[in-house]
Amino acid sequence: GQNIDQPTEMTATEGAIVQINCTYQTSGFNGLFWYQQHAGEAPTFLSYNVLDGLEEKGRFSSFLSRSKGYSYLLLKELQMKDSASYLCAVKRNTGFQKLVFGTGTRLLVSP
Amino acid sequence: KAGVTQTPRYLIKTRGQQVTLSCSPISGHRSVSWYQQTPGQGLQFLFEYFSETQRNKGNFPGRFSGRQFSNSRSEMNVSTLELGDSALYLCASSYGKGNTEAFFGQGTRLTVV
Repeated sequence: GQNIDQPTEMTATEGAIVQINCTYQTSGFNGLFWYQQHAGEAPTFLSYNVLDGLEEKGRFSSFLSRSKGYSYLLLKELQMKDSASYLCAVKRNTGFQKLVFGTGTRLLVSP
Repeated sequence: KAGVTQTPRYLIKTRGQQVTLSCSPISGHRSVSWYQQTPGQGLQFLFEYFSETQRNKGNFPGRFSGRQFSNSRSEMNVSTLELGDSALYLCASSYGKGNTEAFFGQGTRLTVV
């Protein structure tokens, strides 16, 4: 089976740094995606990791450790607009686009 | 280029009815996946189509079905609606097989009363 765990909710203040963790147990792992979803909107792509290590993209970075079944999304210099749900999704090695999502982490950024 | 288009955006149906949702992927994308999103369960995979063939199917009852047309547009159908089918149905398109980014549509909010 597959299991993806993320914290349900996190809070942080504007300008701070927050790390959202995701742990997974799955067979045929073939990559991990992070998506951002604002309330009432579609999820939008943030990052993709398939190899171990850190991928940096502006204020957002994503890390993957395949041996530990662990990833995190790091958000720096938080802004109010970063208040959203952050979805961790694992792609299995089927060759096709089947993503298994965690339930998401709702991040609230306060002034 | 245009994004993923889902129609309708909102829908209210009564128990026992059936519903058809539509998804037009980004031009050139051949893979379309469908997901059900509810507050308690998060995003649950329904099925994926590639070149008119169903490639993957999630753990949903047979009342949920779908298809893809030659122009890559996809429809999903839910028959004999139940109250628990109330959810946001999201469609995602990607270029094809492999580790390609999936782009999501705005979704169809289905309410079953």
